[in-house]
Amino acid sequence: QKEVEQNSGPLSVPEGAIASLNCTYSDRGSQSFFWYRQYSGKSPELIMFIYSNGDKEDGRFTAQLNKASQYVSLLIRDSQPSDSATYLCAVNMASNTGKLIFGQGTTLQVKP
Amino acid sequence: EAGVAQSPRYKIIEKRQSVAFWCNPISGHATLYWYQQILGQGPKLLIQFQNNGVVDDSQLPKDRFSAERLKGVDSTLKIQPAKLEDSAVYLCASSRGARGTNEKLFFGSGTQLSVL
Repeated sequence: QKEVEQNSGPLSVPEGAIASLNCTYSDRGSQSFFWYRQYSGKSPELIMFIYSNGDKEDGRFTAQLNKASQYVSLLIRDSQPSDSATYLCAVNMASNTGKLIFGQGTTLQVKP
Repeated sequence: EAGVAQSPRYKIIEKRQSVAFWCNPISGHATLYWYQQILGQGPKLLIQFQNNGVVDDSQLPKDRFSAERLKGVDSTLKIQPAKLEDSAVYLCASSRGARGTNEKLFFGSGTQLSVL
């Protein structure tokens, strides 16, 4: 089992719809979770982070954690073509020096 | 606040040659990371420094890769000799706190390496 798993996609949604991205992780003790956005040919950019104590909303983005099932989700409301990118989930491995492990990323395509 | 600086932006070499990458983290950031990102995959951690000490290098292929962070600031990553499978983007990142726990990473623009 990979430490952090994501469906590579592509996930295609129409403009204005809700995009739902998911990520599962293996380390039950993990306490911090990050979503990075990566445009083609660019470096990852942090867009959301949550800790084990709860969900978080920031503008059109909502990050949710399900500790029992060990998955994290990112919801993007009112999706825009500019949201088209690869979304990387990263999990801080509690049991291993705080190492940040990335999933392979999910490619999101928002069609006008 | 200046971001993470990396150079060169692109590098093309032949297999068995050597190559070096340079990174300057955000001022005051204690933790520095080198990640390897192969096309279509997520970044893979190669090495993590806290100040000038190594925190984690478990996935660094030590027979050909080396890294150092002198004086706890700039860092260099070297590959010698390079193999075809080393073709990837090498990303440097930094974070403010110690050991990277629960910290937000800021990435540089990366170095795209092509090994022919």
